[in-house]
Amino acid sequence: QVQLVESGGGVVQPGTSLKLSCEGSRFNFAFHSMFWVRQAPGRGLEWVAEMSYDGSDEFYADSVKGRFTISRDNSKNTLYLQMNNLRRDDTAVYYCAKDINMGAVTPTTFDSWGLGTLVTVSS
Amino acid sequence: QLVLTQPPSVSASLGASVKLTCTLSSAHSNYVIAWHQQQPDQAPRFLLRHNSDGSLTKGDEIPDRFSVSRHGAERFLTISGLQSEDEAVYHCQSWGPDVWVFGGGTRLTVL
Repeated sequence: QVQLVESGGGVVQPGTSLKLSCEGSRFNFAFHSMFWVRQAPGRGLEWVAEMSYDGSDEFYADSVKGRFTISRDNSKNTLYLQMNNLRRDDTAVYYCAKDINMGAVTPTTFDSWGLGTLVTVSS
Repeated sequence: QLVLTQPPSVSASLGASVKLTCTLSSAHSNYVIAWHQQQPDQAPRFLLRHNSDGSLTKGDEIPDRFSVSRHGAERFLTISGLQSEDEAVYHCQSWGPDVWVFGGGTRLTVL
C-alpha cells in the first residue's frame, strides 16, 4: 500500500521560512506528479502546489505564488515544499498527495494522501 | 474561474441513502470531478473519480454503496445503506489548466 510521510512542520514566526518534506514508498515515486494540499483549522482543502513526475513543470496556487517553492528528488523518493515569508494565514495542516495518473498524462486527482504535518505561523 | 460549490452540511439516518451535491461553475459544467472522504481527525481519502466516459475509478476498498451521477453542472455522490463510519466530510474536487480546485466540503451526519 502506498505510503506518504510528511515531516518538517512546526511553530514559526511570521516572515520566517520552513521546509517540508514528504517521503513516498511502495510505489514508483518517479512516475507520478505530486502535490501539496493544505487545510487551515476548521476549513476545507486548498491545493497549494504541483510538480510533474520529472520535475519539469511546477504550478502554484495564487495564495502562495512567489513565496513557496515545490521540488523533488526522485533518487530519494522525496517531495519538498520550501515556504518563505510565512504569514498567519499559512497556518494549516499540509498534506502531500500522489497523482492517480502516471508519466506525462495530465495530473487530475489525488489517489493517496499522507497524514499531514502541522504548520503554525504565530508570533 | 473554476468553482465547486457544496452545501456545508447534510444529515441522514443509519441505513438510509443520502445524495451529496457538488455544483460546478457554469462555464465548467462538463468537467470531471473526484470525491474524497475525510473522517473526523483523519487525513482525506480518495473515494472515486467520475470519468468523462461515465466510468468510475475507485479508491482502494471503496464499497459499491458509493455511486455517482450527474445532471448538467451538478455532480452527485450517493451513499446507500448508511453506516456510522460514513460520518465524515466529503470534498469534491476538479482540475483545469494548471489548477486543482476543491469544493468547500459537506459534513455528513449519520443519525
